[in-house]
Amino acid sequence: DTGVSQDPRHKITKRGQNVTFRCDPISEHNRLYWYRQTLGQGPEFLTYFQNEAQLEKSRLLSDRFSAERPKGSFSTLEIQRTEQGDSAMYLCASSLTGNTDTQYFGPGTRLTVL
Amino acid sequence: AQKITQTQPGMFVQEKEAVTLDCTYDTSDPSYGLFWYKQPSSGEMIFLIYQGSYDQQNATEGRYSLNFQKARKSANLVISASQLGDSAMYFCAMREPGGYQKVTFGTGTKLQVIP
Repeated sequence: DTGVSQDPRHKITKRGQNVTFRCDPISEHNRLYWYRQTLGQGPEFLTYFQNEAQLEKSRLLSDRFSAERPKGSFSTLEIQRTEQGDSAMYLCASSLTGNTDTQYFGPGTRLTVL
Repeated sequence: AQKITQTQPGMFVQEKEAVTLDCTYDTSDPSYGLFWYKQPSSGEMIFLIYQGSYDQQNATEGRYSLNFQKARKSANLVISASQLGDSAMYFCAMREPGGYQKVTFGTGTKLQVIP
């Protein structure tokens, strides 16, 4: 069990550029979540996958954001035409359907938009 | 209304002492789960402990215990024998039933352990 991994760990981009982040969940976990965390706040839910199906999206997820989990394993989060307000830590978590459904988090990708 | 309230932005504790981090929650559903996570300065959210709403006993995991008072809707985290490595942000979170088992986080408490 290698835990949840995310790539890259840090991304600096210029306003208007597109960025893509990758998340590899714990291998047997069927649920995958994306969160955004800004300074001084707890993580805020963005979207959720069960296997390859995207079942829920937050209102925080504007049209510039898209997420995929094509084979029910890794997931990507793309932000198009980045804005300075997109600067945040993007966290991925995974869980296994069950009694506690505990979410285990990756190290996050810190995005800075200049 | 806030679902999860952590009223202590920052706390100090002497090394080897115990510390309690407060968390209150708001839900009308009888079935829910409560979590505590630790976030060191490196950024990774580390799962610490879980308490289900129907669990009869308070959860414990090593030096961590959860003081669950259902009628008061509180789920305080107790860390015994604090260590310097416990210095971090601590987040309380609640999972409510629903299509994706939504988890809502509080704003966190920054704990600093003093040698």
